Amino acid sequence: AAGVIQSPRHLIKEKRETATLKCYPIPRHDTVYWYQQGPGQDPQFLISFYEKMQSDKGSIPDRFSAQQFSDYHSELNMSSLELGDSALYFCASSTDGYSGNTIYFGEGSWLTVV
Amino acid sequence: ILNVEQSPQSLHVQEGDSTNFTCSFPSSNFYALHWYRWETAKSPEALFVMTLNGDEKKKGRISATLNTKEGYSYLYIKGSQPEDSATYLCASSDNKLTFGTGTQLKVEL
Repeated sequence: AAGVIQSPRHLIKEKRETATLKCYPIPRHDTVYWYQQGPGQDPQFLISFYEKMQSDKGSIPDRFSAQQFSDYHSELNMSSLELGDSALYFCASSTDGYSGNTIYFGEGSWLTVV
Repeated sequence: ILNVEQSPQSLHVQEGDSTNFTCSFPSSNFYALHWYRWETAKSPEALFVMTLNGDEKKKGRISATLNTKEGYSYLYIKGSQPEDSATYLCASSDNKLTFGTGTQLKVEL
């Protein structure tokens, strides 16, 4: 069965550079969530989209932005990267906005800022 | 309880032992409770989603219960095997998931 696809899996950027992470949800899933997990930390919610509209916003820095496109894939854009942005970024998807359905996670994108 | 809390933080058991962990969550504005199994370098694997007070779910040797009035869920593993070694995360939700800190389980031969 198709899963949540994230790309790239690994990314190394320098401080002050820009990075873009992509997420392709499970087919027919209309909701996408982004989470950030720093070293030794719990996953922290960044932002979510339902039917291409932002549905909720968490601890996402102003330097970051995201959107969900017409094909339901989502991109997380991170600018003016800082060392503290080094983390594992998870994308997850589900159906029907949030209705208690199972939320499935991708394998994550490792971002290292040097 | 303001956050999602899990206990214990880590657990070492012998193969064949049965074990359980706790997830505590805010009972106000509760919508659903999720359990995930998370192995290093892999994506979290969804185990259960529970929404109703008194819900019990089972998947093989793993089962979970839910008490929404008092804000806790238990995850049980019967006859632990080495392949059960992982971090078990619970997450409570309104319209997003708030994760607990996880319980790291190590099953030894």
